[in-house]
Amino acid sequence: GAGVSQSPSNKVTEKGKDVELRCDPISGHTALYWYRQSLGQGLEFLIYFQGNSAPDKSGLPSDRFSAERTGGSVSTLTIQRTQQEDSAVYLCASSLGAAGREKLFFGSGTQLSVL
Amino acid sequence: GNSVTQMEGPVTLSEEAFLTINCTYTATGYPSLFWYVQYPGEGLQLLLKATKADDKGSNKGFEATYRKETTSFHLEKGSVQVSDSAVYFCALSSNRDDKIIFGKGTRLHILP
Repeated sequence: GAGVSQSPSNKVTEKGKDVELRCDPISGHTALYWYRQSLGQGLEFLIYFQGNSAPDKSGLPSDRFSAERTGGSVSTLTIQRTQQEDSAVYLCASSLGAAGREKLFFGSGTQLSVL
Repeated sequence: GNSVTQMEGPVTLSEEAFLTINCTYTATGYPSLFWYVQYPGEGLQLLLKATKADDKGSNKGFEATYRKETTSFHLEKGSVQVSDSAVYFCALSSNRDDKIIFGKGTRLHILP
């Protein structure tokens, strides 16, 4: 597709279950970001992948959160043992190069609800 | 660490009013500054950016000037329209890493 694709668009899960969120960036984009958008909290940085460099994981809120990017393309964000406070919209974004100089293209997000 | 602070919303204005949304930042080095916009039901998109002090970014009638002396990047528009109703996010990217940090967003309502 032409844009950043995220799946699923909505995910409802029970507390304690694991979830996987997928991001398919724009072809050729080397930079990929994950953010979390909560009501009143804005966009919270989670993790950043740039090419083959080690990812910047400084925004992951706990060791229950992890992400990987296979083959420099698709990325998966995994949340283990979900908690109610994990409920939020998870946004993925990609850019052609270093995002400080290139604009970010955002996906539509995954709305995660933990019951 | 780096941070962005923007005025809390919601901001409600009448059509054709003058708009200012304040944004200030804290950063090491020389950051690039951005405004992103999220229209209802749509994804975030870049509105404008400035990469060095005194630069002015502009797009769709919106402007913001990178003020290093006041560490600010306020968003302005001279005459808003109903179609400008959206959530606006100020953001920065440090020149030391490419991590982009966003503010909490300001919801703007324009009344006809």
